[in-house]
Amino acid sequence: SQTIHQWPATLVQPVGSPLSLECTVEGTSNPNLYWYRQAAGRGLQLLFYSVGIGQISSEVPQNLSASRPQDRQFILSSKKLLLSDSGFYLCAWSATGGGGYTFGSGTRLTVV
Amino acid sequence: ILNVEQSPQSLHVQEGDSTNFTCSFPSSNFYALHWYRWETAKSPEALFVMTLNGDEKKKGRISATLNTKEGYSYLYIKGSQPEDSATYLCAFYYNQGGKLIFGQGTELSVKP
Repeated sequence: SQTIHQWPATLVQPVGSPLSLECTVEGTSNPNLYWYRQAAGRGLQLLFYSVGIGQISSEVPQNLSASRPQDRQFILSSKKLLLSDSGFYLCAWSATGGGGYTFGSGTRLTVV
Repeated sequence: ILNVEQSPQSLHVQEGDSTNFTCSFPSSNFYALHWYRWETAKSPEALFVMTLNGDEKKKGRISATLNTKEGYSYLYIKGSQPEDSATYLCAFYYNQGGKLIFGQGTELSVKP
């Protein structure tokens, strides 16, 4: 069966520090991968998605970047965090063709 | 810009009440409409993936309907229970890309 792992669960980082959140999927090949964020009081906003190794689409201009170095690995990064980067980050995967998404357990990021 | 609207934003009901929420989405380029249930500190859990106009899906006491021509979907919960308390998200999957656009969610609180 397919599983998705996301870590860390919580993170408190100072402004200006770097960020790396990792997400890995098991039990499937060539998944579509996604990073979403929920800022305080808001819905889920799509940040990045990837349909294959090295293929990243960015949805909104921001202080973050994403990479997909392996088929089932998706990394969210920042060189210098801003206060506005605080939020709840969710990684998700889906098979191609519009089926349901499976979400990771999420990372609560607080930038102080 | 694609917009997915959910109403109401929040709902407080008593145990045993039946309730329903609305999701509005663009009626053009429709591919699928998803409903998710999101409990605090957990991952969103897929409830339904709906693709055909007039679709009706049911899972226990929860059901959903879909109207793709007018761009709306209803989620119904019959005889709400405290364990139904969660945020219910709808998401629009359109055929120009492999990505879901989420609404803001409806936060349901069921009091015993």
